[in-house]
This record gives sequence, C-alpha cells and structure tokens, in this order.
Amino acid sequence: NAGVMQNPRHLVRRRGQEARLRCSPMKGHSHVYWYRQLPEEGLKFMVYLQKENIIDESGMPKERFSAEFPKEGPSILRIQQVVRGDSAAYFCASSPRGNSPNTEAFFGQGTRLTVV
Amino acid sequence: AQSVTQPDIHITVSEGASLELRCNYSYGATPYLFWYVQSPGQGLQLLLKYFSGDTLVQGIKGFEAEFKRSQSSFNLRKPSVHWSDAAEYFCAVRGGGADGLTFGKGTHLIIQP
Repeated sequence: NAGVMQNPRHLVRRRGQEARLRCSPMKGHSHVYWYRQLPEEGLKFMVYLQKENIIDESGMPKERFSAEFPKEGPSILRIQQVVRGDSAAYFCASSPRGNSPNTEAFFGQGTRLTVV
Repeated sequence: AQSVTQPDIHITVSEGASLELRCNYSYGATPYLFWYVQSPGQGLQLLLKYFSGDTLVQGIKGFEAEFKRSQSSFNLRKPSVHWSDAAEYFCAVRGGGADGLTFGKGTHLIIQP
C-alpha cells in the first residue's frame, strides 16, 4: 500500500506563472488536507477536502489559490500568478475518514515550490 | 481557536543523553495531541498521539510523551538519543470534528557526538 504521493517533489516557477501541485492519497482514503510550510516555520493548515467537496478552506489565501479533489484522480492545489512569497514546501495529508478527531493523517513528502 | 507553542527553537543534546522537547497547547476542550518528526527534505512521520486514557503515551523509535492537563503540556521525551534522531520535531493539536492540525513552529534537534 503506497503512501501519500505528491508530485512533483520540486517545482520552479517564474513570477506570474501557474503552479499545479498534485496529491494522490493513500488507497482507501477519501479525505485530503493541504498544508504550507514557510522557511523556519511550522506547517499551516490551508484546506480540507473530501471527494468533490471542499469542507474547510479557512486557511487558503483569498486570491490566486484554489484546490480540488475530483471524483477520479489526485487532489490538485493550484496557485495562479505565483509570487516570490509563495515559495514554500506544500504538504498533503490523507486520512480514511475526517469526522473523527483521533483519526491519523498520513503525510506525503511534500512539493517544494521555488518562485524565481 | 487552538494554538501550539514550542518554546525551544533549537536544542543540542549529546548522543546517549536524555531528551525532553517542550510543547504547550491552548484549547478549550480535550485536545487531540500529536508529535511528528521531519528529517531534512522529507515529509512528516507520526511519532505518537494522545486522545484519551493513559496520559503517558508510547511511540515509535523509543519516544514517549506525557499529557499534563494542569500544565497544558505534552512534552516529548527519550531516555537516550541516537545521532539518527537529529531532525525537526513538531507538536500539533487537533480540535473536534474534522479540523486540520494546528502545528507549533518546531524544535530543531542537534545531536553532538
């Protein structure tokens, strides 16, 4: 059973371009969380999704950022018109169910986005 | 809203010595507490978690943590560290329902030979 798979592991974008980060949850997991880790900082919650639904996007910046988790395929975190401040590590976590607070979430290895 | 404070940004410990990493949380009800470890360039690995019951929790790699409600703390301990324990350690709390985790800023552990 493969773990949470994120790709690409490293992504370089020029200012103004779009970044698309992908996350394939563990098999059987239908809940996905995205986190951002800025340098020298802890992880900050961004968004929580179930299949085809955004459950909580309270941590998402209001502009340029969007996330989806379609019925088929990976979850996508999309950043439009990237700026240098978007440079960070973006982590995805998945869990088999989200409505129980003691459910463990499994993390991927992250995508490190560098905006030049 | 919940919050997590890890007061030590860096800690240096000699190999073979004991370790304690501090974590204080703020949450109105019973928290769900976690410790994760992150090696350079890697994702997060769960060391242990506390939900209820025995306040002393055993985890992987010889780590343990003790939940102290009166002190709002969940400190991580290991009796004897190994050079391979050098990493970043994150304490996290989760509130009720399906909330995302709230992380502390992390403690960077350095192991001296």
